[in-house]
Amino acid sequence: IAGITQAPTSQILAAGRRMTLRCTQDMRHNAMYWYRQDLGLGLRLIHYSNTAGTTGKGEVPDGYSVSRANTDDFPLTLASAVPSQTSVYFCASSRDSETGELFFGEGSRLTVL
Amino acid sequence: GQNIDQPTEMTATEGAIVQINCTYQTSGFNGLFWYQQHAGEAPTFLSYNVLDGLEEKGRFSSFLSRSKGYSYLLLKELQMKDSASYLCAVRDSRYALNFGKGTSLLVTP
Repeated sequence: IAGITQAPTSQILAAGRRMTLRCTQDMRHNAMYWYRQDLGLGLRLIHYSNTAGTTGKGEVPDGYSVSRANTDDFPLTLASAVPSQTSVYFCASSRDSETGELFFGEGSRLTVL
Repeated sequence: GQNIDQPTEMTATEGAIVQINCTYQTSGFNGLFWYQQHAGEAPTFLSYNVLDGLEEKGRFSSFLSRSKGYSYLLLKELQMKDSASYLCAVRDSRYALNFGKGTSLLVTP
């Protein structure tokens, strides 16, 4: 079944550790996105990629990095996790950056202690 | 930057009609989206407006006025399963999709 797969589903992490959230889509979508969702703050864009090989900063990029080596994969890395990065992270993709709706993965719940 | 505002909470009765408003100020405009999100789940797409006017899709309709920076989502014949958060999102000049904080809708019997 086509769609977006995120891993891990849930993770507890010690502060200061490095963590990579994985995101893979098999819909051949050009654009991909990472959001975090926090109670009372809604979905906030961290980074995005309009096409393979390019990335851009969203609203809350600090402390996060991304890469887009190919069309299917868009990993999000926390170089040194802090408690304020405790959140639910959603990866999403769209056919292209200019048109089409976003399809979301099931989310990754990250707790930083 | 962008500023997307929508009410935090709304309550409506089963079988009724409810209108959820969204106002926005954005650097460039390339479309407005509405998403539904049930608790603990991922957002799912409801509607998309890029031109002024009303888009109807079954029990759900969405309206856009670009000159006023205003949209609404209209839900008819409310059902209990419509209890969810409704997210307004605007695609900006960089083609990034920016979301409002969402409106939590409670449908009561």
